[in-house]
Order: sequence, then structure tokens, then C-alpha cells
Amino acid sequence: QKEVEQNSGPLSVPEGAIASLNCTYSDRGSQSFFWYRQYSGKSPELIMFIYSNGDKEDGRFTAQLNKASQYVSLLIRDSQPSDSATYLCAVSRPGGKLIFGQGTELSVKP
Amino acid sequence: DAGVIQSPRHEVTEMGQEVTLRCKPISGHNSLFWYRQTMMRGLELLIYFNNNVPIDDSGMPEDRFSAKMPNASFSTLKIQPSEPRDSAVYFCASQPWGTSGRDSYNEQFFGPGTRLTVL
Repeated sequence: QKEVEQNSGPLSVPEGAIASLNCTYSDRGSQSFFWYRQYSGKSPELIMFIYSNGDKEDGRFTAQLNKASQYVSLLIRDSQPSDSATYLCAVSRPGGKLIFGQGTELSVKP
Repeated sequence: DAGVIQSPRHEVTEMGQEVTLRCKPISGHNSLFWYRQTMMRGLELLIYFNNNVPIDDSGMPEDRFSAKMPNASFSTLKIQPSEPRDSAVYFCASQPWGTSGRDSYNEQFFGPGTRLTVL
């Protein structure tokens, strides 16, 4: 079992819809969770982090964490074609080490 | 700030050759990370340094890989000898030192990557 798992997609949604990206992790002691966005041919960039159970909102993005279920999700409201990218879920380890999932490719169709 | 700088951006070499990838972290950042990304394995951490000291090299695939950080502004990742399965994009990332709070996080900033092709 991989430490961080994501559906590889591609996930296709129409413009204006809500895109829902999911991630599960195996280490129950994990404390910090991250979502990175990676455009094709570019480097990953951080878009959200979450430490506490529940929801965290930032603009059109909402991260949701359920530690009991070992589940993290990212919702993108009013999806735009510019949101088309691969979204990487990551879990931190002591010292700042990040363990990444395989990534989910999102395609937003105009 | 120029961000994390990596060189070369693209490298094509033949099997058996030595490859050296270079990274300049963001000034003032105390932690430096080397990652490798492939379609099959995704983004994997190879090694990271805190204050120029290697902390965890458990992700280094084998002895052919080595990394150094001689000072706070420079790091290298060397592959000798290179093999076709080493073909990947190699990213360097840097992070400021310090404990993250409940509502803050010391973000890792990634460089543009080096696309390595070993023929």
C-alpha cells in the first residue's frame, strides 16, 4: 500500500462546476497535509495546507480533512479552464520531508 | 528574488556517463530537498539537507547517486554511472527554517527542474 494514494484521473469537469479531488494516507500519525498544483512541464506550487479536522477555505479552494478516515480532499468551486493541471496531495514528515501521491489530472472543459 | 535556480534545464547523455545537476536555493532558506519525478513513480524525495547537513538520504535509489551541499547557496546531485532508468525530471526545493504554526506553514519552493534523458 502506498503511503499517499490518489486517483490518477483524468478527472474532467465542465467550466463552472465543482471539481472534487481525493486523497487517502496510511500513516495515522500524520499531522500536516498539502495540496500542490502542477501545470504541464512546470514545477509544483503549493495551493493549500491543512492541519485540523474539518474544512479550510481559500477563495475558490476548500481543503477538507478527516483524520479518523485518513482522508483529505480538495474542492475547486466555479472551475475554470486555467485550473486544468495535475493536483498532488502530500503528507509531511518530521524535518519537513514531504511524501507525495501520484497526482490527479484535472481537465476543465470550456 | 530569483527563486530556486537549477541547471542545466535539460540534459541528454549516454548510458555510463556522469551527470551532475546543480541547485541554488533561495537565499536565507535553510532546508534543501532533491526530488525525482517520473510517470511511473510520481514525485519522490531523494535526499534533504538542513543547514547543509544531509538529514535523510533514504530515498536515494542506489550508490550511483550522491548529493552534496558544500555551502548554503549551492547543492549538487550526481549520478555516476547514469542508466536509462534514471531518465526523469529532477527538482530541487528549498524551505525556510523554523517551526510551522497552526495557521502557517514554511512553504517548500520548487525550482524549474532538470529534465534528464539517458540514452
